[in-house]
Amino acid sequence: DTAVSQTPKYLVTQMGNDKSIKCEQNLGHDTMYWYKQDSKKFLKIMFSYNNKELIINETVPNRFSPKSPDKAHLNLHINSLELGDSAVYFCASSQWNSDTGELFFGEGSRLTVL
Amino acid sequence: AQSVAQPEDQVNVAEGNPLTVKCTYSVSGNPYLFWYVQYPNRGLQFLLKYITGDNLVKGSYGFEAEFNKSQTSFHLKKPSALVSDSALYFCAVRDGYGNNNDMRFGAGTRLTVKP
Repeated sequence: DTAVSQTPKYLVTQMGNDKSIKCEQNLGHDTMYWYKQDSKKFLKIMFSYNNKELIINETVPNRFSPKSPDKAHLNLHINSLELGDSAVYFCASSQWNSDTGELFFGEGSRLTVL
Repeated sequence: AQSVAQPEDQVNVAEGNPLTVKCTYSVSGNPYLFWYVQYPNRGLQFLLKYITGDNLVKGSYGFEAEFNKSQTSFHLKKPSALVSDSALYFCAVRDGYGNNNDMRFGAGTRLTVKP
């Protein structure tokens, strides 16, 4: 069983469209994240949710809206896509207040905006 | 806010030689330090961590890292590199006294091991 799974793995779309990326974790963690990895491989945190509550909301355009229906799911919806949104988006999870605290990552969703 | 720096974009070593990937950190409290590896078209995989205790920590695939408080460093090491170790390596830090939810990553170091 995949611990953190994201769909779709690849997404090619036109500028101006709206798209969503879904993420699910079966590790029983209570905290989930979205990271963006750009073409230079730099990894930047976008959002973090703990028990369905928004904890971290970095400087991200409000076209990006995360939604957490329950603590095992964190979806990312992007409105009015722009060329600069092209990147690989990683979902991750961890356990809040864990002594270890390492993140478990999904395989990534590569978004290409044409 | 906490941060890490990986001063080398690229590290090249010959197979069988020791390797070091450098990382320095900055936090206001106690550092929780991590190394992750990313293979092509894959997500990041956890390698090892330092929370407290022995300054030398051992992790997956024969990797180890040494925590040095005076130099604020956490360099990743392996005594004998394999071609299969070629990948992108990320150092990360979390502030042990702060919001333990917030992990910050370095820019990554691409390790190439040549046969």
